[in-house]
Amino acid sequence: GAGVSQSPSNKVTEKGKDVELRCDPISGHTALYWYRQSLGQGLEFLIYFQGNSAPDKSGLPSDRFSAERTGGSVSTLTIQRTQQEDSAVYLCASSLKGGPRDGRGTQYFGPGTRLLVL
Amino acid sequence: AQSVTQLGSHVSVSEGALVLLRCNYSSSVPPYLFWYVQYPNQGLQLLLKYTSAATLVKGINGFEAEFKKSETSFHLTKPSAHMSDAAEYFCAVSEIFGNEKLTFGTGTRLTIIP
Repeated sequence: GAGVSQSPSNKVTEKGKDVELRCDPISGHTALYWYRQSLGQGLEFLIYFQGNSAPDKSGLPSDRFSAERTGGSVSTLTIQRTQQEDSAVYLCASSLKGGPRDGRGTQYFGPGTRLLVL
Repeated sequence: AQSVTQLGSHVSVSEGALVLLRCNYSSSVPPYLFWYVQYPNQGLQLLLKYTSAATLVKGINGFEAEFKKSETSFHLTKPSAHMSDAAEYFCAVSEIFGNEKLTFGTGTRLTIIP
């Protein structure tokens, strides 16, 4: 079946502009994660959605970052007033919540959006 | 807080030689452990995972890893390296409870020498 998809694959923007990154999770997956991969910080967790519960925003680096998930499916990560340090690959992952012991909970990753802030 | 340490940011092995990528974790309780592989300009692909069942875990592409609680290690091995194994490998740990977010190591870039 279809995997996690992300768009755009590449985004170049000017410092100070807002950007929106989109993630389409695997159909039926209730959990959705955003991660950021950068040269300086490696792979780091940003935000987590699970069903109708309040999202876990503990990984967002500043209040310029926000995310929403509409209808329990598609998610959008928004970065306002982008800075050069926001340049990174933004990865989305989805899973069936419940822990990886019985096969659920394994996170499947999309190809990422490569963001470059000039 | 959980953390993962990967020793060696770059590892080079000859084609056909043993691959050994090291991962040590820090956790107050036995965690879930994962190895992911990332090929150039692609997302992360799960190689294998430890979920407190068997301590020796077999994954895709001939890789396996052994959970050693006494050493807090989860090293990744493959008996015979293939050119297609060249990639970056990430060890990760997740909480058993809560949001199960992944905490990654800094990655090891594996180069295969023909």
